[in-house]
Amino acid sequence: AQSVSQHNHHVILSEAASLELGCNYSYGGTVNLFWYVQYPGQHLQLLLKYFSGDPLVKGIKGFEAEFIKSKFSFNLRKPSVQWSDTAEYFCAVRDSSASKIIFGSGTRLSIRP
Amino acid sequence: EAGVAQSPRYKIIEKRQSVAFWCNPISGHATLYWYQQILGQGPKLLIQFQNNGVVDDSQLPKDRFSAERLKGVDSTLKIQPAKLEDSAVYLCASSSYRERSSYNEQFFGPGTRLTVL
Repeated sequence: AQSVSQHNHHVILSEAASLELGCNYSYGGTVNLFWYVQYPGQHLQLLLKYFSGDPLVKGIKGFEAEFIKSKFSFNLRKPSVQWSDTAEYFCAVRDSSASKIIFGSGTRLSIRP
Repeated sequence: EAGVAQSPRYKIIEKRQSVAFWCNPISGHATLYWYQQILGQGPKLLIQFQNNGVVDDSQLPKDRFSAERLKGVDSTLKIQPAKLEDSAVYLCASSSYRERSSYNEQFFGPGTRLTVL
């Protein structure tokens, strides 16, 4: 069965610090990978996704993620965070032959102004 | 474009009572999902509808949970009777449909926060 691990439950950074949130998945087949974000009081929304091609994926608001197949990882990065990046971030995986998405447990990101 | 609507936003009930949640997906979206998100965990799919048919309900506790999507538009999720461990946020999402193996972005509603005392 597919699973997704996010090892950091809560990350606290100062503004302008660099961010990397870890995500590892377990599945041997072809996968699609996602990062979702939930800002305080808002709906869960898609940040970026990887389906195929360039393993470095760029999303909204300056976020990017790198798919490393050999490590079963899809870490989220941002070179310089802002206070407005305070949110909960969820990594998710989908078997490319199905529609079901499996979510990780989430990482809460707090940015100190 | 209006988003996914859910009601109520909050609900507090006693254990063994019943409760129902309502979802109105984005207009034209054929696929509708119900997720359960327990505090500290990611959303877990409970049931997926394609129009008014069930695609996946493998993780729906069918002894107490039920869901329907009459006419392929709105959907209701019911819990009867509720247990303490049902306390969670219940999220509804919808997506358009091309074919089963294609990805169609899911758009999420605000959720219903259920507290079972």
